Amino acid sequence: DGGITQSPKYLFRKEGQNVTLSCEQNLNHDAMYWYRQDPGQGLRLIYYSQIVNDFQKGDIAEGYSVSREKKESFPLTVTSAQKNPTAFYLCASTGLATNEKLFFGSGTQLSVL
Amino acid sequence: AQSVTQLGSHVSVSEGALVLLRCNYSSSVPPYLFWYVQYPNQGLQLLLKYTSAATLVKGINGFEAEFKKSETSFHLTKPSAHMSDAAEYFCAVSKNNQGGKLIFGQGTELSVKP
Repeated sequence: DGGITQSPKYLFRKEGQNVTLSCEQNLNHDAMYWYRQDPGQGLRLIYYSQIVNDFQKGDIAEGYSVSREKKESFPLTVTSAQKNPTAFYLCASTGLATNEKLFFGSGTQLSVL
Repeated sequence: AQSVTQLGSHVSVSEGALVLLRCNYSSSVPPYLFWYVQYPNQGLQLLLKYTSAATLVKGINGFEAEFKKSETSFHLTKPSAHMSDAAEYFCAVSKNNQGGKLIFGQGTELSVKP
């Protein structure tokens, strides 16, 4: 079955530690996105990529980094510079046609120890 | 700048009753609008989208939404609620009409009472 796989489902970060969230898709989608979800705030765009080896900052990119070495993969690193990392992180993908629907992964809950 | 406001963070209805979830948008360009549903600890799933083809949009699971430009609204309705409709619902506008770059509302949690 085609879809988006996020791992791990739960992740804990210690102070000063960088952690990486995995996102893999087998939908042959060109564009991939990372959203952060906080209770009562909806989703906010962190980073997105429309082509391999290229990515752009979203609305809340500070303290995060990404890479896009393969079309299928778009990992997100939450760095120690992100002072409030506790949130639910959602990866999504879509084709490049205007306003195609987003396909979402099942999310990673990141918490600080 | 574009924005989305969902009125009511929590809506509770009885099974079989009308569901109405409110969404108002602000956009300087003709908007593309979406409703997504999220079940607990899961990702989001598209219910329906408006892309200017028709003002009344029908989606999955019996939901529909009507685009009203004069009211800058895109409210989501379902004639008869089912227990399985309990979830969080998000309205979103496509940022500058660019694909997956969405601006989301804060969400409305729908509870369905037996």
